[in-house]
Formats: sequence, structure tokens, C-alpha cells
Amino acid sequence: KQEVTQIPAALSVPEGENLVLNCSFTDSAIYNLQWFRQDPGKGLTSLLLIQSSQREQTSGRLNASLDKSSGRSTLYIAASQPGDSATYLCAVRSSGGSNYKLTFGKGTLLTVNP
Amino acid sequence: SQTIHQWPATLVQPVGSPLSLECTVEGTSNPNLYWYRQAAGRGLQLLFYSVGIGQISSEVPQNLSASRPQDRQFILSSKKLLLSDSGFYLCAWSAGAAVNEKLFFGSGTQLSVL
Repeated sequence: KQEVTQIPAALSVPEGENLVLNCSFTDSAIYNLQWFRQDPGKGLTSLLLIQSSQREQTSGRLNASLDKSSGRSTLYIAASQPGDSATYLCAVRSSGGSNYKLTFGKGTLLTVNP
Repeated sequence: SQTIHQWPATLVQPVGSPLSLECTVEGTSNPNLYWYRQAAGRGLQLLFYSVGIGQISSEVPQNLSASRPQDRQFILSSKKLLLSDSGFYLCAWSAGAAVNEKLFFGSGTQLSVL
């Protein structure tokens, strides 16, 4: 059974700092890993999707890396801004069993202080 | 462009009352559709997914049911709500059956069962 863990559960940083969010998964047989952002009381917004054959994906100030063999992914946010404050979730789509199912971590609550 | 609509945004219902949450997708055809529940302190749990009209798969046994009467319409229902049905319900879609398609979420429904 796939399990996804995100560390830390919460993170508070001053504006302008570069930061890294971590995601680990127990079963390396995956199709892809996806990072999402969730604002309070809102739905999830897809940020980046990394396919199992890829090492990283970039979008603006965001860079996500994937090390499938070790079961790890990181989301790097450069020059953080107060508007980046949100909960960040990672999810993996496993290649065994039902490939429609994404397994989510519980998220990292990020607060960027002005 | 594709959009997903989910309503209502909030709902307060007494125990034992029925439930109907609706989700519609615009700008695409034959999407995969999903219902997730997010409970406080827990990750997202997949409740149902559908790959076509009338085709529903349930991930966990529960007090809820889902239906897909039209290609881009997905409905979550219950005949009698339980206290444990409280939570944040999210509808999502992805394009077709390709495993490397991103998942897009609606804005969610906060359900409180009292």
C-alpha cells in the first residue's frame, strides 16, 4: 500500500527566503508525482507534475525534483512571497493496482511573513 | 479552456437528512471524474471515480453513492447523512485515461452534519 509523507507539517519563513518542502513515498512503482497548492477553504491547484522518467520540472519560482528510486521529491520555492502562503500537497499515481488513484500526503502548511 | 464547477460551497445538514452535491466540467469531453473527501488532520481520500457515463467505481465502503448521468456531470449523494460524513468534499477531473494527465479540482463543498 502506497504511503506518502510530507515533512515538515508546517513551516514559517521570512519573505525573500528560499525554501524546500519534502515529500516521500514508500512504493517507487509510480507513473508520476504531482504537487498541489491549497488555499484555506479552497480546492487544490496543480503546480507541477513530474513523470517517473523525469528528474525535475520548473515553473517560474517553483522547481520540483523527483528521485524515484529513493522515493523522494522536493519542491523548491525561490524568493518566497507572502502570497505563497498556503498548504502544499504532493500526490503520487502508483503504477500497480488502480492507476486512477492518487495517494496524497497530508501537506505542509507554509507561512511567509512580510 | 476547461473549467469545473462545484456547488454548493457550504452546506449544513441535520443527521439523517439526504445529500446531493453536484459537479460539472466544461470545455472537455469524456473526462475522468473523481470525488474526494478531506477531513481535518487527514489527507485526501478518494471516494469515487468514473471513466464514463454510468460507470462508477467506489474506493471505500460508506454511506455515500455517486452517479454520472451525463458525460460532464458527477453527483455525490446520500439517503441519510451521518455525523461522520462531515468534511470538505472535492470534485476533480482529468483528461481521459492517460496516466500522466494532471488532476484539476473544483472549489469544494464544506459539509457540516449536525
